[in-house]
Amino acid sequence: QVQLQESGPGLVKPSQTLSLTCTVSGGSINSDGYYWNWIRQHPGKGLEWFGYIYYSGSTYYNPSLKSRVTFSVDTSKNQFSLMLTSVTAADTAVYYCARDYYGSGKFDPWGQGTLVTVSS
Amino acid sequence: DIQMTQSPSSLSASVGDTVTITCRASQDIRNDLNWYQQKPGKAPKRLIYATSSLQSGVPSRFSGSGSGTQFTLTISSLQPEDFATYYCLQHKTYPLTFGGGTKVEIK
Repeated sequence: QVQLQESGPGLVKPSQTLSLTCTVSGGSINSDGYYWNWIRQHPGKGLEWFGYIYYSGSTYYNPSLKSRVTFSVDTSKNQFSLMLTSVTAADTAVYYCARDYYGSGKFDPWGQGTLVTVSS
Repeated sequence: DIQMTQSPSSLSASVGDTVTITCRASQDIRNDLNWYQQKPGKAPKRLIYATSSLQSGVPSRFSGSGSGTQFTLTISSLQPEDFATYYCLQHKTYPLTFGGGTKVEIK
């Protein structure tokens, strides 16, 4: 079965760039119809959807974050990545990667999540 | 963006109770609504999709209903493992948006 695993620094300094990678195992990131998503959750708060990338490289970014977010995909490594620039303490959150089918919002599976703290 | 408003934000209930969580959309989303359950320290788990379709493996005590702008998640005969936070998600229009969550606590 497909599994996702986030990786990246747990601590990022303010104004720097947050970079995370999601590794897909048990299946191919090239699978037709599957969108690869990023979602975050501020401590003790709700869920915020960043957007998705398709294996072809096509993307959708949430307009609320669009100016600071870039997704990329590396099909040779079965990975996709998130870059968030100019971070502040407000970007401290648990970041999840998740798969869904054609933007149906049926996120499954999810990664376990990784806490990223923005602090000097 | 479509705003999703959940109520209540938290509730206390006992094992065996029936609980109902409401999700209201700021505009018509047809039946493009999913429900997720999240336990502390874990990723959310998909419960229901397309308003009322139960994800495989989810107990039948969970049910969803609604259409347009008003939706409900009902948990019949609450079990100890059901104490968690529940989120609705609309997928009618991008950006996808979640409700603020409803925490179901043990009374």
